[in-house]
Amino acid sequence: AQSVTQLDSQVPVFEEAPVELRCNYSSSVSVYLFWYVQYPNQGLQLLLKYLSGSTLVKGINGFEAEFNKSQTSFHLRKPSVHISDTAEYFCAVIQNSGNTPLVFGKGTRLSVIA
Amino acid sequence: NAGVTQTPKFQVLKTGQSMTLQCAQDMNHNSMYWYRQDPGMGLRLIYYSASEGTTDKGEVPNGYNVSRLNKREFSLRLESAAPSQTSVYFCASSGPPYEQYFGPGTRLTVT
Repeated sequence: AQSVTQLDSQVPVFEEAPVELRCNYSSSVSVYLFWYVQYPNQGLQLLLKYLSGSTLVKGINGFEAEFNKSQTSFHLRKPSVHISDTAEYFCAVIQNSGNTPLVFGKGTRLSVIA
Repeated sequence: NAGVTQTPKFQVLKTGQSMTLQCAQDMNHNSMYWYRQDPGMGLRLIYYSASEGTTDKGEVPNGYNVSRLNKREFSLRLESAAPSQTSVYFCASSGPPYEQYFGPGTRLTVT
C-alpha cells in the first residue's frame, strides 16, 4: 500500500518570495505522483504529474516539482508566488499498475501575504 | 464537455433523514470515486468503482452506500444521516494514466 506525508500543514510566505511545499511518499512498487490545488470553495484541479522520464516536471501557474526516487520525495516549488496562489495543495500517489485508487496527503495550506 | 458534475451543491438534513448525492462524468472514464473532505483530514475515500458493475469500499465507508448506475453515473446514498457526516463530498473520475478529475463538491450539513 502507498502513503503520502505532507510535512507542513500551513506555509505562510510573502508575495514574490519563493516557496517549497514538501511531499514524501512510501511505496514498495513504482508509482505515479501528482500535485493538486484547491482554491477556496472549489474542487481540486491538477497542477502537475510525474509518470516517467525527466524528474523535473513543470505544471500550470509556474509551479514545478522534482521527483527524487532515492529520497521518495516529490516537492513542489515556485520561484515567486502571487496572492492568487493562496490555496490548499495536495500531493497524491498511485501505483503505476493503476489497480488501486489515488492516495492523498492531508494537504498544505499556502497563504501568500502582501 | 462538462467534466464531472455533482448535484446538489448544498444540502441541509436533519439527523435520521436520507439522501442521495448524484455524480456524472462525460469523459468516458472507467473509474469513479467518492471522497469526503473535513478540515485537517485531507480527502478520505468513501467508495470507488473501478469499472461499471463493480464497487469497493475505501477508507471510511460506514454509513454510506453507492450505486454505479452506468458508466457515466455514480451515486452516494446516506440512509440515516448523522451529524458526523457533515462534510464536503467530492466525486471524481479517472482513466489512464490515472489522474483524477474532480467535481465542484456538495456541502452537506446534518443537524
